[in-house]
Amino acid sequence: NAGVTQTPKFQVLKTGQSMTLQCAQDMNHNSMYWYRQDPGMGLRLIYYSASEGTTDKGEVPNGYNVSRLNKREFSLRLESAAPSQTSVYFCASSDRFYGYTFGSGTRLTVV
Amino acid sequence: DAKTTQPPSMDCAEGRAANLPCNHSTISGNEYVYWYRQIHSQGPQYIIHGLKNNETNEMASLIITEDRKSSTLILPHATLRDTAVYYCIVLWYSGGTSYGKLTFGQGTILTVHP
Repeated sequence: NAGVTQTPKFQVLKTGQSMTLQCAQDMNHNSMYWYRQDPGMGLRLIYYSASEGTTDKGEVPNGYNVSRLNKREFSLRLESAAPSQTSVYFCASSDRFYGYTFGSGTRLTVV
Repeated sequence: DAKTTQPPSMDCAEGRAANLPCNHSTISGNEYVYWYRQIHSQGPQYIIHGLKNNETNEMASLIITEDRKSSTLILPHATLRDTAVYYCIVLWYSGGTSYGKLTFGQGTILTVHP
């Protein structure tokens, strides 16, 4: 049982480039989330999807877009990367009884 | 969601119990208390959660005060591998769905010493 899988694990982008971070869960969870974590900081919510077909902004949505492709997959897109988006990105899914399960993260550097 | 307050850091000797406090004085009746931890730069890991009763699982125990304004996470026999940042989070669920947004504070850095 893989849980939450994120790809890629590492990425270096040039300023202005675009990319999509992929996330998939195999636990049949309704809700999925994207967080970012800057050095020495707690996680901040970027976007979330309470259920398939819905998405909503979190605390720091500017510069990002998301797509809930189906129940399993939730992608995060950076249309024009900026150095301020250098961070570690975590995807998570949740179940009422077992809490959140997080992926192992994508370490993104924008130069 | 209710805000939580945790000490920024704590130390514990290996093999001893680690007791991590959390204040959540503005918690409402349908909000759960969740604990997560993050080891180094890995993704956060679920530990335990509860509503009003004390809870225990294979990782830890959760003690919630009767007025639900504070709680304590107990790691009964801390090991070096328990060194991590521990987050106490209050979370509201909507009816029977799994909707709920985790909001992370700064957490408590627990250091377990040999």
